[in-house]
Amino acid sequence: SQTIHQWPATLVQPVGSPLSLECTVEGTSNPNLYWYRQAAGRGLQLLFYSVGIGQISSEVPQNLSASRPQDRQFILSSKKLLLSDSGFYLCAWSPLSETQYFGPGTRLLVL
Amino acid sequence: GENVEQHPSTLSVQEGDSAVIKCTYSDSASNYFPWYKQELGKRPQLIIDIRSNVGEKKDQRIAVTLNKTAKHFSLHITETQPEDSAVYFCAASARGGSQGNLIFGKGTKLSVKP
Repeated sequence: SQTIHQWPATLVQPVGSPLSLECTVEGTSNPNLYWYRQAAGRGLQLLFYSVGIGQISSEVPQNLSASRPQDRQFILSSKKLLLSDSGFYLCAWSPLSETQYFGPGTRLLVL
Repeated sequence: GENVEQHPSTLSVQEGDSAVIKCTYSDSASNYFPWYKQELGKRPQLIIDIRSNVGEKKDQRIAVTLNKTAKHFSLHITETQPEDSAVYFCAASARGGSQGNLIFGKGTKLSVKP
């Protein structure tokens, strides 16, 4: 069966510091991968998606970037965090059926 | 651009009553409509989905109906229980689903009072 992992689970970072969040999927090949951000009490904002290694599409302009160095690894990065980057970051994967399955999430607090 | 509108934003019901959440979508090419339940502090979990070749789908106490002509779909929860309390998100496939992207509604916070 397929499993999706995210780490870290929680993170507290100062403004201006870098960020690296990692997502890995097990038990499947060539999945579509997604990064979402959810502000407290709000909806799901799609940040990036990837249909293959090295293929990244950005949905909103921001100071975040994403990379997919391996088939089942998706990384979200920032060079300098802003206060507004705080939120719950969710990685999701999708087979060809379009259903998306979410990871456990990373809760980021920027101070 | 593609849009999914979800109503109501909050819903409070008594235990045992039914709850209905409605969504409308703008992209006529959408053909896949999942519903997710998100408990406080947890990840969204898929609870039911429907494709455009079906008008209704049931799974125990939950059901989803789809009206492609009107471009709206609804989630029905019967005999609600306190553990049904959560935020529910609807979604519709984007760009005809060719890349698996989903457009999400803004969510409905359901509270079931014992």
